[in-house]
Amino acid sequence: SQELEQSPQSLIVQEGKNLTINCTSSKTLYGLYWYKQKYGEGLIFLMMLQKGGEEKSHEKITAKLDEKKQQSSLHITASQPSHAGIYLCGADMGNTDKLIFGTGTRLQVFP
Amino acid sequence: EPEVTQTPSHQVTQMGQEVILRCVPISNHLYFYWYRQILGQKVEFLVSFYNNEISEKSEIFDDQFSVERPDGSNFTLKIRSTKLEDSAMYFCASSLTGNQPQHFGDGTRLSIL
Repeated sequence: SQELEQSPQSLIVQEGKNLTINCTSSKTLYGLYWYKQKYGEGLIFLMMLQKGGEEKSHEKITAKLDEKKQQSSLHITASQPSHAGIYLCGADMGNTDKLIFGTGTRLQVFP
Repeated sequence: EPEVTQTPSHQVTQMGQEVILRCVPISNHLYFYWYRQILGQKVEFLVSFYNNEISEKSEIFDDQFSVERPDGSNFTLKIRSTKLEDSAMYFCASSLTGNQPQHFGDGTRLSIL
């Protein structure tokens, strides 16, 4: 079974629409990191969440870590073509240096 | 804004040859990492490095792999005898501390022929 699952795998939305991407862990999360990746490029850090119930926003992107600390959601308000890319969640599952990554959500935004 | 830089961006190597991937982490960061992403698959952790030694490694990081910080700025990943299945995008990352965000480079695409 997957340690970290993202849904949906793929999302196509019209510009201006809101959308939500989910990241669900099979284990307790000690830290949850959201990244954006453009095809063939590196991962761009978006936000870090560490406390249950924590919510952070940057421009039109909001991320939240649920109270039981096993799920996070990323919400984009009024999507734009510049939001297109692959969104990855990366989890710190405690007592480790590594991040476990989800499978990614490919977002396309059309005019 | 400071960034992690990786060279080369693309490396093509014959199977069995040695390859060295290079990274310059963000200058005040203390933790360094290598990850890889096989085409179409997840980003996978390889190794972390702190205080001039490996602090953690995955089962992927076997004897053919090694890491080194030869000077105060570079961090390298060496693959001694490359295999076809080593073909992947290799990402270097660095963080200020162990529980701060890891910042990634743009990656080196390694193609083994």
